Amino acid sequence: DAGITQSPRHKVTETGTPVTLRCHQTENHRYMYWYRQDPGHGLRLIHYSYGVKDTDKGEVSDGYSVSRSKTEDFLLTLESATSSQTSVYFCAISESTRGLGYTFGSGTRLTVV
Amino acid sequence: QKEVEQDPGPLSVPEGAIVSLNCTYSNSAFQYFMWYRQYSRKGPELLMYTYSSGNKEDGRFTAQVDKSSKYISLFIRDSQPSDSATYLCAMQGANNLFFGTGTRLTVIP
Repeated sequence: DAGITQSPRHKVTETGTPVTLRCHQTENHRYMYWYRQDPGHGLRLIHYSYGVKDTDKGEVSDGYSVSRSKTEDFLLTLESATSSQTSVYFCAISESTRGLGYTFGSGTRLTVV
Repeated sequence: QKEVEQDPGPLSVPEGAIVSLNCTYSNSAFQYFMWYRQYSRKGPELLMYTYSSGNKEDGRFTAQVDKSSKYISLFIRDSQPSDSATYLCAMQGANNLFFGTGTRLTVIP
């Protein structure tokens, strides 16, 4: 997806280990979001950022932390991975809080074993 | 009760058929209504959006919003195999989009 890159694309990790997912944008958008997508639940917001060092919790934030030290990078950390965190994680960016301009990355498929 | 309800399907139709996809929602404060399309192993991409009630047409796609019934629809005319994807409805909250679970559509040639 143009302007937004997620890494890694796939990861398998063991229960109890910390994991960091990276979202990088080249659009200079103010807002960045982390979602997880699970069957039967759709996309759910984990955390979002409205500027450098400005972040807030979403609907399913327990067990996750985020950091944004530069406009272009938004990191999602699973502090101690659990099997319930097996999911597909999507990063999104937007110029405003309105959903009209959300651009999503291609996702990170995380498996916790 | 979920903010947004969407029938997950799957829905399978022959090429050329008219497709109707629907969502219901509970929060009467929602003003912006969106449809995203998601191909397998890809991120969602914005297909159409509507502000408040009414219809909006874009080529073969028509989005409808009925705020009195808290019901939104997406119609696809002359469906094509390339329309095979998962379609997600979404509604704008204060700082967030609320998504439906998605309806998987397959258009059979």
